[in-house]
Amino acid sequence: AQSVAQPEDQVNVAEGNPLTVKCTYSVSGNPYLFWYVQYPNRGLQFLLKYITGDNLVKGSYGFEAEFNKSQTSFHLKKPSALVSDSALYFCAVRDWGSGDKLTFGTGTRLAVRP
Amino acid sequence: NAGVTQTPKFQVLKTGQSMTLQCAQDMNHNSMYWYRQDPGMGLRLIYYSASEGTTDKGEVPNGYNVSRLNKREFSLRLESAAPSQTSVYFCAVGWNTEAFFGQGTRLTVV
Repeated sequence: AQSVAQPEDQVNVAEGNPLTVKCTYSVSGNPYLFWYVQYPNRGLQFLLKYITGDNLVKGSYGFEAEFNKSQTSFHLKKPSALVSDSALYFCAVRDWGSGDKLTFGTGTRLAVRP
Repeated sequence: NAGVTQTPKFQVLKTGQSMTLQCAQDMNHNSMYWYRQDPGMGLRLIYYSASEGTTDKGEVPNGYNVSRLNKREFSLRLESAAPSQTSVYFCAVGWNTEAFFGQGTRLTVV
């Protein structure tokens, strides 16, 4: 069975500092990996994805993520945080070999202080 | 182009009542999903449909039924609502790439 772990319930960072939100995954085959963001009282918005190819993927709003197969990780990063980045972030995985199920982590709340 | 539309946006039910949450897409994607979001639990998959006419159980299917009558629509039915089904419900669509989400239905069962 596929699974995703987001070990931090909350990440706090000062505006202008780099941020990292951690994600590790478990699949039986090759993974598709995703990051989504949720603002209060809204649905989830897609940020970026890894399907194949370059391990560093770039997405919306200046976010990027690095796929590390040996560590089964897909951490979300941004070089310089903004207060407006404060939101709930979800990592998700789809296993190429397991059909069409998309499994989410429990979410990490990012708080960026001015 | 509305994307993914969920109705209703809010609903309050009494224990034992039934209701159907509707989801419609105009993105022509094969796959559709129903999730529930609860504090500290993230998003948990209730049911999904890989194509018209097919449905499969997710992590938490008990107490729910679904129907995929055509490519556009995927409905979620609560036959006898329970307080444990108080949650925010999201419909999503996609295939092998990112999933696109509706705005959610906030359901309270009293």
